[in-house]
Formats: sequence, structure tokens, C-alpha cells
Amino acid sequence: SQQGEEDPQALSIQEGENATMNCSYKTSINNLQWYRQNSGRGLVHLILIRSNEREKHSGRLRVTLDTSKKSSSLLITASRAADTASYFCAKEIWQGGSYIPTFGRGTSLIVHP
Amino acid sequence: DAGITQSPRHKVTETGTPVTLRCHQTENHRYMYWYRQDPGHGLRLIHYSYGVKDTDKGEVSDGYSVSRSKTEDFLLTLESATSSQTSVYFCAISESNRATNEKLFFGSGTQLSVL
Repeated sequence: SQQGEEDPQALSIQEGENATMNCSYKTSINNLQWYRQNSGRGLVHLILIRSNEREKHSGRLRVTLDTSKKSSSLLITASRAADTASYFCAKEIWQGGSYIPTFGRGTSLIVHP
Repeated sequence: DAGITQSPRHKVTETGTPVTLRCHQTENHRYMYWYRQDPGHGLRLIHYSYGVKDTDKGEVSDGYSVSRSKTEDFLLTLESATSSQTSVYFCAISESNRATNEKLFFGSGTQLSVL
């Protein structure tokens, strides 16, 4: 079963606005990663936040991790039409002696020019 | 871009036939994964490998087998394809040890249609 989910499932905003996506999980995790997928393409890594970190920045991206609430958020500031894509979080969950990245259903973001 | 190639990119097959998908990497990464992506389900792990001849099951492994005889190649086999296995299959690699994981690099995917 999926280890938590992203929400919202879909998000539609205007260029220049901020976009916030959330990711929840059910069991303890190691690190948490965010990925982006353009239509018809493979996923591309955006940012990794370790379990002992609370916030991380990369350009216009800001990721937070709250282990007490078992949740993470991805904020894209000053969005652009080129940010239109699906965004996934991957929770590293212990399985069979390894930390295995486990994905949710993702958030589909549309940024209107 | 990470050197990861999936083949074929597209395949149409009939129910009951065997199908093998190939993932080839030139990065010498230890971990390799097969995921399937379906609308409404996101990515679900089928099998993964943590070394040559070392593999383990993922969330949706029924009906699939894998083999890794060389570091660079990870094969996914559908022994007898069913329509429920129509999906987009992604291979991913990562350089990690068992204590932590680093970012995944994904292939371009294989669109498989089982008629």
C-alpha cells in the first residue's frame, strides 16, 4: 500500500503565484526526496531532505520536513509556466535491509501564463 | 544526464506472451529499481536490486520476475503478460549504501500495452 500521499492531487495557479504541495507518510522514514515529472518523461530529482533536517532551499524551491506530523511540503515560489509538471515525494522506507524510495500518487501542477 | 537506457521504448504484445524489458546503466551504480506508473496510482515499486544477483520484491511484484547478472543490466520479465500489466515502466538507479539512499536517476520509460 502507498505510504501516505501528496495533496492536493491537482493544483492550478497563475504565473507568479506560489505553489505548495504536501506529502504525508505513515511509518518512520529515513530521508525524503522530491521529484518532478514532465509529461511523457522520466522523473527528475529536485531536492533531498534528511530526517534530521527541518528545512532546505534550492533556488525557488523550499522543502520542509516535520517528522512529528509525518509530513513534508514543497513550495515553489514565483511560479513560471515551465514549472507545469507532476511532483512526487519519495519516502525512504526500511525494507529488507535497505532504505527503499516509495512514491505517492503525486500532485499535478498547472501554471497558467 | 545519467547513463541509463531502457529498451524497448514502446511495446505492444498479446495476453499470455512473455515480455522482457531491459534497463542498462553506464554509471556503475549499485541499486537498480523497476517501477510501474499508472493513472491514479503514482509510481509503484515492482522489484529492486542491490547488487549482482541480489534482488528483492517491491509492492507489486506478482506476475513479474527480475534478473541482474551484471552490474549494468537489470531485466524485468513478465512471464505471461496480462492486460492489467499495461503500464509505463520506469527503471531507476542510485548510488547508495544500506544506511541511506541518494537520489534516483530515471530512465525514459517503456510504454507497454498488453492486448
